Amino acid sequence: EVQLVESGGGLVKPGGSLRLSCAASGFSFSSYTMNWVRQAPGMGLEWVASISSSSSYVYSADSVKGRFTISRDNAKKSLYLQMNSLRGEDTAVYYCAREGNCGTTSCLEPGDFFDYWGQGTLVTVSS
Amino acid sequence: QSVLIQPPSASGTPGQRVTISCSGSSSNIGGNPVNWYQQLPGTAPKLLIYSSNQRPSGVPDRFSGSKSGTSASLAISGLQSEDEADYYCATWDDRLNGWMFGGGTKLTVL
Repeated sequence: EVQLVESGGGLVKPGGSLRLSCAASGFSFSSYTMNWVRQAPGMGLEWVASISSSSSYVYSADSVKGRFTISRDNAKKSLYLQMNSLRGEDTAVYYCAREGNCGTTSCLEPGDFFDYWGQGTLVTVSS
Repeated sequence: QSVLIQPPSASGTPGQRVTISCSGSSSNIGGNPVNWYQQLPGTAPKLLIYSSNQRPSGVPDRFSGSKSGTSASLAISGLQSEDEADYYCATWDDRLNGWMFGGGTKLTVL
């Protein structure tokens, strides 16, 4: 069974730092691109960052570029999000999500998608 | 303001068919498949439709997806009370180089 378990959330002051972790199990972690997606209270989903299976490719949203860093440790089957210079607008539940793929042999319109999500960890930025 | 535009709300009675639209542009929906996620109250999102019209195993065939040009739609037939949730469309944006989500549609079963 695929499981993603986030941890590391909590209350932090503006300008502070926090490191989130996502422990993966039940699948070959090193074979998948992984993502962080967040959801502010009462708001919609916002993609934060992606990292390819071997860490060769990293993408992040403009809203966090230069402040957040996504990384992974395939030996530990873990995904991380280092968050620096935190702001009030970063207050959200942060989800890690596995990126699945449907290729040309199976899909008329091949592409990627978030097929498994963790339960989320709440980050609150407030003085 | 989200890059992908969804109606904020939709509603229907049990047994009805409801559709939720998702409007984008050539850099996102126009060139990439669309995925749909269902988020029940207080829970993490769940993949509902991938590659515009594919259902993961376990998702009832009452749910279907389609795409035409720069717009996509999610249809739910035989509406049930347990379908009451928030629904999000999502796709990759080639110009912004990132994943984009719609603002979400809150579905109410009357």
